[in-house]
Amino acid sequence: NAGVMQNPRHLVRRRGQEARLRCSPMKGHSHVYWYRQLPEEGLKFMVYLQKENIIDESGMPKERFSAEFPKEGPSILRIQQVVRGDSAAYFCASFDRDSPLHFGNGTRLTVT
Amino acid sequence: GESVGLHLPTLSVQEGDNSIINCAYSNSASDYFIWYKQESGKGPQFIIDIRSNMDKRQGQRVTVLLNKTVKHLSLQIAATQPGDSAVYFCAETLASNTGKLIFGQGTTLQVKP
Repeated sequence: NAGVMQNPRHLVRRRGQEARLRCSPMKGHSHVYWYRQLPEEGLKFMVYLQKENIIDESGMPKERFSAEFPKEGPSILRIQQVVRGDSAAYFCASFDRDSPLHFGNGTRLTVT
Repeated sequence: GESVGLHLPTLSVQEGDNSIINCAYSNSASDYFIWYKQESGKGPQFIIDIRSNMDKRQGQRVTVLLNKTVKHLSLQIAATQPGDSAVYFCAETLASNTGKLIFGQGTTLQVKP
């Protein structure tokens, strides 16, 4: 059973470009969470999605960031007009009832 | 504000010794706690969890202790091995929403051979 799959593993963008991060949850999991980790810090919750629904986006910046989890395909975290402060590791996690949160290995975004 | 903190940023132990990593949490409403291990370049890996109706839970070589009176959580690793070297995070949440975690800053465990 494959774990949570994220791609790309590394992403380099110039300031002003768009970044798209993809996440495929574990098989059978219908809940997806996105977290951000700045260097030397713990992870910070961003958004919680179920298929076709955003359940909780209280951790998302109000501008430039969006997330979706369509009926078919992976969950996407989209960052428009990236700035240097967006450089971080972005982790996706999935779970289903009675299971702990399982994390992917993240996408490391570098904004130059 | 709500936060989960760890007392020591780095812990260095000798291979074979026992390790104790501590964590303080501030939200008395939290009722579910998890320890994660994060190796370089990887995502957090679940180690062990505990609910607030328990004081202690044991896994393979690991034990988590929860003291609700002082809002303190600890992770004990028996017979620490070089493969245990990593950053350890405690996280808290509500059992009703186990995916929305509040993470601490992390403790780096270094195991000396």
